[in-house]
Amino acid sequence: DAGITQSPRYKITETGRQVTLMCHQTWSHSYMFWYRQDLGHGLRLIYYSAAADITDKGEVPDGYVVSRSKTENFPLTLESATRSQTSVYFCASSAQGSYNSPLHFGNGTRLTVT
Amino acid sequence: AQSVTQLDSQVPVFEEAPVELRCNYSSSVSVYLFWYVQYPNQGLQLLLKYLSGSTLVESINGFEAEFNKSQTSFHLRKPSVHISDTAEYFCAVSDNAGNMLTFGGGTRLMVKP
Repeated sequence: DAGITQSPRYKITETGRQVTLMCHQTWSHSYMFWYRQDLGHGLRLIYYSAAADITDKGEVPDGYVVSRSKTENFPLTLESATRSQTSVYFCASSAQGSYNSPLHFGNGTRLTVT
Repeated sequence: AQSVTQLDSQVPVFEEAPVELRCNYSSSVSVYLFWYVQYPNQGLQLLLKYLSGSTLVESINGFEAEFNKSQTSFHLRKPSVHISDTAEYFCAVSDNAGNMLTFGGGTRLMVKP
């Protein structure tokens, strides 16, 4: 089915471990985004990508790494997880920039860092 | 830089009553404005948007929002809510040069029978 899927849906990891969150979209959208959602902060942009091999920092990029070797995939890696990275992570895609085409969100990954 | 403020973190309301969810933004340039809705355990979905033209925009499920440039507001309204409208609503802003949406903190709408 067409859409945007995130995996895993839930993840528990320990402080200091590396963890990768996966995001896959089947629309061939050019733009992909990673947001984190925290109570009281709404959604904050971590990284985004305008096309394969092009990535840019968002509002809160520290501690995260992204790559986009293929248009359909946009993994997010926490190189050394910290408790402050406990959050719900949303991946999104859009055909054009986020202001002139809607963002399509995945169902999120709930990450707990112990 | 731009920012979005949603003044109410929670809005309880009875079914069939009217509701207004408030959103104020700040930006030094022209903006595009959006409302997204998040149902439990799901990602966000676009509800409606203002890009240009008429300042009153409507969604297919009865919500409307009005862009007020002088008050830098984009409040969301519905004249009669249903139980199924229970969700979290996010206001967002984007400038016409950027690719990034800036979201407000969200307002949880709780519709009671």
